[in-house]
Amino acid sequence: EVQLVESGGNLVQPGGSLRLSCAASGFTFSTYAMSWVRQAPGKGLEWVSAICGDDGSTYYADSVRGRFTISRDNSKNTLYLQLNSLSAEDTAVYFCAKGSGGRCHSGADYWGQGTLVTVSS
Amino acid sequence: DIVMTQSPESLAVSLGERATINCKSTQSVLYSSNNKNYLAWYQQKPGQPPKLLIYWASTRESGVPDRFSGSGSGTDFTLTISSLQAEDVAVYYCQQYYGTPFTFGPGTKVDIK
Repeated sequence: EVQLVESGGNLVQPGGSLRLSCAASGFTFSTYAMSWVRQAPGKGLEWVSAICGDDGSTYYADSVRGRFTISRDNSKNTLYLQLNSLSAEDTAVYFCAKGSGGRCHSGADYWGQGTLVTVSS
Repeated sequence: DIVMTQSPESLAVSLGERATINCKSTQSVLYSSNNKNYLAWYQQKPGQPPKLLIYWASTRESGVPDRFSGSGSGTDFTLTISSLQAEDVAVYYCQQYYGTPFTFGPGTKVDIK
């Protein structure tokens, strides 16, 4: 059974940093694209970043490029998102999602329950 | 960036009736080399993560009831629920994965009339 469990969400001050983790199990983690999608309170879904399973390429939304870094540790079956220079606009539930294939250009067929990041002083 | 729009913002349908949600992209998401539309539909119920319903615009994900169907090509797409059930109350999102950023539509809320 595929499982994705996010952790690392917390209350952080503006300008602060946080690292989110997503522990994956139930599939061959290294061969699949993985992504982060966020949802601000009461709002819609916003794609944040993806890392491909085939070549390790990374992609970012304009709103986070240069501040967020996606990475993966295939030996630990874990996906990460490093969040820097946080602002109130980054407050959201962050979901980890598994791609349906190795390429990033695919739908997300499994999702974690999400971890809440709150940016406030 | 490819901008996704959805209509209507919300709709209320009687149990057993058809629900239709439209999704448009500002540029084609049809990849000519494989003739696939890089478009997915998701369902999100309150307090839950999204669930993949449809990918490649019209391929139903395993385990998804056949009352859900996707159609369209290029820039115009439709998600149809042929006979609305109580458990289908949710927000539905389309997403293009043709070009980064892989943008979502704003969502359509479906309720029971």
